[in-house]
Amino acid sequence: QKEVEQDPGPLSVPEGAIVSLNCTYSNSAFQYFMWYRQYSRKGPELLMYTYSSGNKEDGRFTAQVDKSSKYISLFIRDSQPSDSATYLCAMSAPNAGKSTFGDGTTLTVKP
Amino acid sequence: NAGVTQTPKFRILKIGQSMTLQCTQDMNHNYMYWYRQDPGMGLKLIYYSVGAGITDKGEVPNGYNVSRSTTEDFPLRLELAAPSQTSVYFCASSFRDRGLLMNTEAFFGQGTRLTVV
Repeated sequence: QKEVEQDPGPLSVPEGAIVSLNCTYSNSAFQYFMWYRQYSRKGPELLMYTYSSGNKEDGRFTAQVDKSSKYISLFIRDSQPSDSATYLCAMSAPNAGKSTFGDGTTLTVKP
Repeated sequence: NAGVTQTPKFRILKIGQSMTLQCTQDMNHNYMYWYRQDPGMGLKLIYYSVGAGITDKGEVPNGYNVSRSTTEDFPLRLELAAPSQTSVYFCASSFRDRGLLMNTEAFFGQGTRLTVV
């Protein structure tokens, strides 16, 4: 079993929709949770980062962590065609020095 | 500020050939990583380094070698290329502050697309 499982997608939504992207994990040592966005033929870039249970909001993006259920989500409100990309969740434990990535969910937002 | 730079961007290798993928960063990051990403898949860690002179295996190290003689450079060596090594390779770097328990975000290069035929 993989340490990090991500909803595989692909996901296709109309512009303006609310998008939910999800990951589950099995390693209870994970304390830090990240979402990366990767545009086609580009390297991933950090979108959001959190280290506690609860919600963290940044503009149209909300990251949610439920450590008791070992479940994290990224919500995108008022989705735009420019949000079309692959979204990767990543997690790490204290002092690990490296992150474990999910396989990514490819999102297409249609105008 | 260039960030993480990878060369080459594209390469076609014949089975059995060898090559070195170059990676350099100008952010003075102590941690550096090599990942491979197969189509529709996530990132698999090949090797990583916590500082000059120190390297460690990731989850898929077979067929690869690395060295870290300087803080800036972290080349990845492929010996005896095989079709299974066809992939996109990403180099990344991050910083570990002495007071933090974890690294800052990883900054990625633009990738090297390698095809082995």
